[in-house]
Amino acid sequence: KQEVTQIPAALSVPEGENLVLNCSFTDSAIYNLQWFRQDPGKGLTSLLLIQSSQREQTSGRLNASLDKSSGRSTLYIAASQPGDSATYLCAVRLTGANNLFFGTGTRLTVIP
Amino acid sequence: GAGVSQSPRYKVAKRGQDVALRCDPISGHVSLFWYQQALGQGPEFLTYFQNEAQLDKSGLPSDRFFAERPEGSVSTLKIQRTQQEDSAVYLCASSLTSGGAGEYFGPGTRLTVL
Repeated sequence: KQEVTQIPAALSVPEGENLVLNCSFTDSAIYNLQWFRQDPGKGLTSLLLIQSSQREQTSGRLNASLDKSSGRSTLYIAASQPGDSATYLCAVRLTGANNLFFGTGTRLTVIP
Repeated sequence: GAGVSQSPRYKVAKRGQDVALRCDPISGHVSLFWYQQALGQGPEFLTYFQNEAQLDKSGLPSDRFFAERPEGSVSTLKIQRTQQEDSAVYLCASSLTSGGAGEYFGPGTRLTVL
């Protein structure tokens, strides 16, 4: 079974800082990897999707990287803002599978 | 509607009661997923539908859990004889194509079993 681990579990930073969230997974036979954002009481919003053949994806202040061979992904958030406060979830989809395997998330707080 | 909707948003049940949770996917979406998210954990896969066919139910934790999507649109997740360990947020997601990439998630139903 695919195990997905996210470090740290919680992170608190002052506004304006750059930060990195980490995700590791045990089975490298992945089809793709996604980073989601979850706000309290709301569903998940997909932020970035990286196909297994790609090394990184960028959207605005967000950059996600993927190293399949080492089973790692990072989400880099530049110039953090209070509105970035949320739980960030990493999820992988295995080749031939339909469902996602999620990590336990990193709860980010950006202090004004 | 514009997104995936779920009802009820909150459900409190006494232990032993049966509950039914509803998911309205985005119109025309082929794939539908149910996930269970316990407090402080990431979502865990329960079951997957492609149109009306339930292709994968390997994540259902016991035979008390049952899901259906009879007309290939609305889906219902039913939990019989609820237990305290069933307390969680139940998330529904849909995607346009089979294979599941590009899912849109609903807001979830928070189930509390007393």
